[in-house]
Amino acid sequence: RKEVEQDPGPFNVPEGATVAFNCTYSNSASQSFFWYRQDCRKEPKLLMSVYSSGNEDGRFTAQLNRASQYISLLIRDSKLSDSATYLCVVTVAAGNKLTFGGGTRVLVKP
Amino acid sequence: DVKVTQSSRYLVKRTGEKVFLECVQDMDHENMFWYRQDPGLGLRLIYFSYDVKMKEKGDIPEGYSVSREKKERFSLILESASTNQTSMYLCATLRPSRGGGYTFGSGTRLTVV
Repeated sequence: RKEVEQDPGPFNVPEGATVAFNCTYSNSASQSFFWYRQDCRKEPKLLMSVYSSGNEDGRFTAQLNRASQYISLLIRDSKLSDSATYLCVVTVAAGNKLTFGGGTRVLVKP
Repeated sequence: DVKVTQSSRYLVKRTGEKVFLECVQDMDHENMFWYRQDPGLGLRLIYFSYDVKMKEKGDIPEGYSVSREKKERFSLILESASTNQTSMYLCATLRPSRGGGYTFGSGTRLTVV
């Protein structure tokens, strides 16, 4: 079993709609969680950290469910520019190496 | 903003050549990492370093070595390039604070022929 698993998609989303997807992790000792965004042929860029209480950044909402060992990302009012691959990232301890999921591809269409 | 610079965007090398991939960061971060990214396999950690002259193997270190002589520079070395090392190589530095994530360089797409 992979340490961090994601549905590869693609998720085809009409512009303006809401899309949500999850990421599961296997190590219960995991401490830090992140969502990264990667555009085609570009490097991954940090989208947001995920905190225990859940957090929001504009149209993006991240949630953490420790009991079930998954994190989620929800995108409201999808824009064409949201089309990208979203990578789930988990680390066991602060400052430790990060483990990446395979990514979820999102395609927002007019 | 942290800047992570990789020396080459695209590189073509021959089988058996020694290849150096350079990465430089400008924020005095201690933690630096080398990943490769391949379709269907995602990002896989090759080597990382927590300090000068310190290195640790990641998940797929075979066929690679690294050098960290100065804090700002972390080099990945392919001692004898092979075709299965054709990949996108990404260097990253890690913010030390809680909630800190990686900042990646723009990547080097290496093709070994």
